[in-house]
Amino acid sequence: QSALTQPASVSGSPGQSITISCTGTNSDVGGYNSVSWYQQLPGKAPRVIIYEVNNRPSGVSSRFSGSKSDNTASLTISRLQIEDEADYYCASYTKRSTSVFGTGTKVTVL
Amino acid sequence: QTQLVQSGAEVQKTGSSVKVSCTASGSNFTYHYLHWVRQAPGQALEWMGWFSPFNGNSNFAQSFQGRVTITRDRSMNTTYMELKSLRSEDTAMYYCASSIVAAGPFDFWGQGTLVTVSS
Repeated sequence: QSALTQPASVSGSPGQSITISCTGTNSDVGGYNSVSWYQQLPGKAPRVIIYEVNNRPSGVSSRFSGSKSDNTASLTISRLQIEDEADYYCASYTKRSTSVFGTGTKVTVL
Repeated sequence: QTQLVQSGAEVQKTGSSVKVSCTASGSNFTYHYLHWVRQAPGQALEWMGWFSPFNGNSNFAQSFQGRVTITRDRSMNTTYMELKSLRSEDTAMYYCASSIVAAGPFDFWGQGTLVTVSS
């Protein structure tokens, strides 16, 4: 199972919106709505910010939103803030009843 | 609310095995899947496998098949991940994470256990 493909880095200025893509296949992202996104701050464990493509857990800012089209999922961060600087990972369920993470994206706030 | 607490850092020799524990507190843990995820230094997250609370079954990423086992001591609310035939590339932070269904999401995470493999 190959890792899902994400851009290595994305940057934006405070107040702007950015979008991170996550590309898989029809055996994972394209075949299931079990796509989630995780934010990882330096030296910390990841935390879920989006689940089932476009749902936010309680306590997660509404500035985070998710979507999916065919084999590509996307995470959008609106009104970018300094505290959004982190690594972001997508994850998907697969046809083998396993999970797979993306390659990770480093978000920089300029 | 579920909290996951992992065992401390380990240093192991190549070719040996390591066993990392993950202890849960919180009344709903009994029915949560328990996953193991690792992250090599400066690298991406890598999903390793899950343990089912319902029938004790496990499922693993192909790259770990035959080298990893996950077991649970229900009385102590503790789940163990054992990785055998260690190589230097297994040096990583190992996380446990829980989910309500096998598909995720991984809603609670342990603090991580650093495993260092050296010759």
